[in-house]
Amino acid sequence: QVQLVQSGAEVKKPGASVKVSCKASGYTFTDYYMHWVRQAPGQGLEWMGWINPASGGANFVQKFQGRVTMTRDTSINTAYMELSSLTSDDAAVYYCAKAAGSSTAWYIDSWGQGTLVTVSS
Amino acid sequence: DIVMTQSPDSLAVSLGERATINCKSSQSVLNTSNKKNYLGWYQQKPGQPPQLLIYWASTRESGIPDRFSGSGSGTDFTLTISSLQAEDVAVYYCQQYYNIPWTFGQGTKVEIK
Repeated sequence: QVQLVQSGAEVKKPGASVKVSCKASGYTFTDYYMHWVRQAPGQGLEWMGWINPASGGANFVQKFQGRVTMTRDTSINTAYMELSSLTSDDAAVYYCAKAAGSSTAWYIDSWGQGTLVTVSS
Repeated sequence: DIVMTQSPDSLAVSLGERATINCKSSQSVLNTSNKKNYLGWYQQKPGQPPQLLIYWASTRESGIPDRFSGSGSGTDFTLTISSLQAEDVAVYYCQQYYNIPWTFGQGTKVEIK
């Protein structure tokens, strides 16, 4: 069955960067887009962007432009999301989420367990 | 950006009773070429990631109990839980995947009355 296993919780200082990994199994990694969604404490879901694991092409919400990098390593079926210049507003649980198809016009059908990122001086 | 607005923000329903959650999009999410509404519903229980319930506005995901149903088209959608069970206590989100950026509703918290 599909599994998305994310890296563990992180504590970062303001201004630092964080890199979250998401290891996929149970399906062909390059056949489905991967999305990143975050959730601040007690808040709703915020979509950040997507990566096409086949090509490495990615797209992000405008507010993260210049701060976020989405990459993948197809040799180990792992997607990465790196966010730089962290502020307290970036404190959240970050989820990777597999799309049901190979374009942006497909819903999310599987989620990672989430990675808690704490930003504190 | 497409704004997704859910109502109500929270509701309390007796066990075995019907729960209805509404979701309105600021523009249509219906693809007139394939007649599909690019609208999904997710359930999130405390401390867990979201789980897909419904996609294409009305198609139930495999393994989801048939008490969950989705309806609507264009800009107005509804998630119905026909007979609320204790395990249905959660926050429910609608989400459009018609346009980038994808957007979620603010969530509706469902509790037992």
